[in-house]
Amino acid sequence: DTAVSQTPKYLVTQMGNDKSIKCEQNLGHDTMYWYKQDSKKFLKIMFSYNNKELIINETVPNRFSPKSPDKAHLNLHINSLELGDSAVYFCASSQGGTVNTEAFFGQGTRLTVV
Amino acid sequence: SQQGEEDPQALSIQEGENATMNCSYKTSINNLQWYRQNSGRGLVHLILIRSNEREKHSGRLRVTLDTSKKSSSLLITASRAADTASYFCATGEYGNKLVFGAGTILRVKS
Repeated sequence: DTAVSQTPKYLVTQMGNDKSIKCEQNLGHDTMYWYKQDSKKFLKIMFSYNNKELIINETVPNRFSPKSPDKAHLNLHINSLELGDSAVYFCASSQGGTVNTEAFFGQGTRLTVV
Repeated sequence: SQQGEEDPQALSIQEGENATMNCSYKTSINNLQWYRQNSGRGLVHLILIRSNEREKHSGRLRVTLDTSKKSSSLLITASRAADTASYFCATGEYGNKLVFGAGTILRVKS
């Protein structure tokens, strides 16, 4: 069983399109995250949700909108995609927040905007 | 912004040798974590060391933390080809986010 699963794994789309990435965790964790890894492999947090409530929004453009229908799911919707959005997006989860514990990451979604 | 630096950026060793990676950070932390990322895959948690701990072991891994120098090291002993991956340190900060270093690419030659 995959603990944190993301779909799709690869996403190729044209500039200006809207796309979504889905994430589900079956670990029973109460906190979920989206991280972005750029072409130089730098990882940076985008959002953090705790029990469906937004905790962190790390100066991400408004075109990115996370949605958490329940504490096991955290989806990422991106409007009006730009070339600079090309990156690998990782979903992660933890119990109680990474200030105290480790995070479990999904396999990533490689987004390519052409 | 990135928390700090990892050193070296890349490391190439022979199987059986030890590999040491260093990480520096800038702010006060609650914990420091090390993750491994195989090519094209997600991150896998290796070890977490709390700010009041100085050393921690897990199998072939040994992590040290020096909060006075704001630095940590990861030692992998008796390396194997399967250890080839990128290794990232991340600080667990108040506000529930991990702040990652730039990573060290480790290549273990068989």
